[in-house]
Amino acid sequence: SQQGEEDPQALSIQEGENATMNCSYKTSINNLQWYRQNSGRGLVHLILIRSNEREKHSGRLRVTLDTSKKSSSLLITASRAADTASYFCATARDQTGANNLFFGTGTRLTVIP
Amino acid sequence: GAVVSQHPSWVICKSGTSVKIECRSLDFQATTMFWYRQFPKQSLMLMATSNEGSKATYEQGVEKDKFLINHASLTLSTLTVTSAHPEDSSFYICSARSSLAGAREQYFGPGTRLTVT
Repeated sequence: SQQGEEDPQALSIQEGENATMNCSYKTSINNLQWYRQNSGRGLVHLILIRSNEREKHSGRLRVTLDTSKKSSSLLITASRAADTASYFCATARDQTGANNLFFGTGTRLTVIP
Repeated sequence: GAVVSQHPSWVICKSGTSVKIECRSLDFQATTMFWYRQFPKQSLMLMATSNEGSKATYEQGVEKDKFLINHASLTLSTLTVTSAHPEDSSFYICSARSSLAGAREQYFGPGTRLTVT
């Protein structure tokens, strides 16, 4: 299967704490992207990290990428109740980064107010 | 900008009937659109890649005769689930990539929940 795996499958934290989600994948990639999905809704693109990058920041989000281990992590700092959602990593193998995204299994994050 | 809409947002149909789902890019032109299926509490699985003016490319295991895709314009792709069965009940999500050179991101629609009774 080309699908990646994420852990943990579910994560529950208190508001204000940091949340870390991990993603592992199987093939070589051009870039890796993280998405957020509220229950029963579409996906929102959070951040894209290229295969030659090791770390990227966007607001309260920090993404790391280790291509030697074929893994990535998403850190959400100072979590808020509104961050409650499912988070998916997705890998893209071609240079445009927009063809054939393969999604991980997702982490369901619950932030308790 | 970069808004993708889907219609309908939810639909209930009887076994054996066909259902058409529309995916529109509202403020940009999309040469390529993608269709995904998501079962409850599972990840998105790519079903097919739809290119404007040409035949869709289906992923392995997806029946092209059952899931008909038409991408007749740069802003509209449709997915028709033919002779729907209860096991086709799922959340169908489309995404679109801008026609602009070097476009990277896929912009996702809000999804369509299909229930087949």
